[in-house]
Amino acid sequence: AQSVTQLGSHVSVSEGALVLLRCNYSSSVPPYLFWYVQYPNQGLQLLLKYTSAATLVKGINGFEAEFKKSETSFHLTKPSAHMSDAAEYFCAVSDTPSGTYKYIFGTGTRLKVLA
Amino acid sequence: DAGITQSPRHKVTETGTPVTLRCHQTENHRYMYWYRQDPGHGLRLIHYSYGVKDTDKGEVSDGYSVSRSKTEDFLLTLESATSSQTSVYFCAISVGGPTDTQYFGPGTRLTVL
Repeated sequence: AQSVTQLGSHVSVSEGALVLLRCNYSSSVPPYLFWYVQYPNQGLQLLLKYTSAATLVKGINGFEAEFKKSETSFHLTKPSAHMSDAAEYFCAVSDTPSGTYKYIFGTGTRLKVLA
Repeated sequence: DAGITQSPRHKVTETGTPVTLRCHQTENHRYMYWYRQDPGHGLRLIHYSYGVKDTDKGEVSDGYSVSRSKTEDFLLTLESATSSQTSVYFCAISVGGPTDTQYFGPGTRLTVL
């Protein structure tokens, strides 16, 4: 079965510092991968997705993620953190082998940005 | 905003009572999903639907049932609520396909006393 693992349930960075949120996936077939962001008291919204077109994917708000098959990783980065980036971030994989259109989510990483 | 609304947005109920949560979409997407979100668990799929009257179980379906009699509405029912079902419930939609984006509703916060 496919799965995703997010390392670090809480990450703190200083404003202006690099943001790195880690996601590793387990898949026997080429995966489709997603990063979502959730601001307080809101639903999730898509940051970016990997669909095999390009290994470096650019998303909204200056975020990007690189698909590395050899490392089974899809880490999310942003060069310079802003206070408004404080939120919870979820990595997800599309459960393609099952033949259904289900998605499997990681447990989330809460990002705190320090002034 | 993908035209998804959830009702109610907040609900407090007592153990043993039935509860129905509603998800409504305005864009006629085929696929609809119900998740629950709990600290340390991320989002876990309860049930999903791939068309009118076509539903299937997710990973945490025990104690929940769903119905979809119209494309635009997907109902989640807790037949007899328990305290372990206290959670935030999210509905999501997609047009279908493994690369498709899921769009989420604003969530329903349910407290079972």
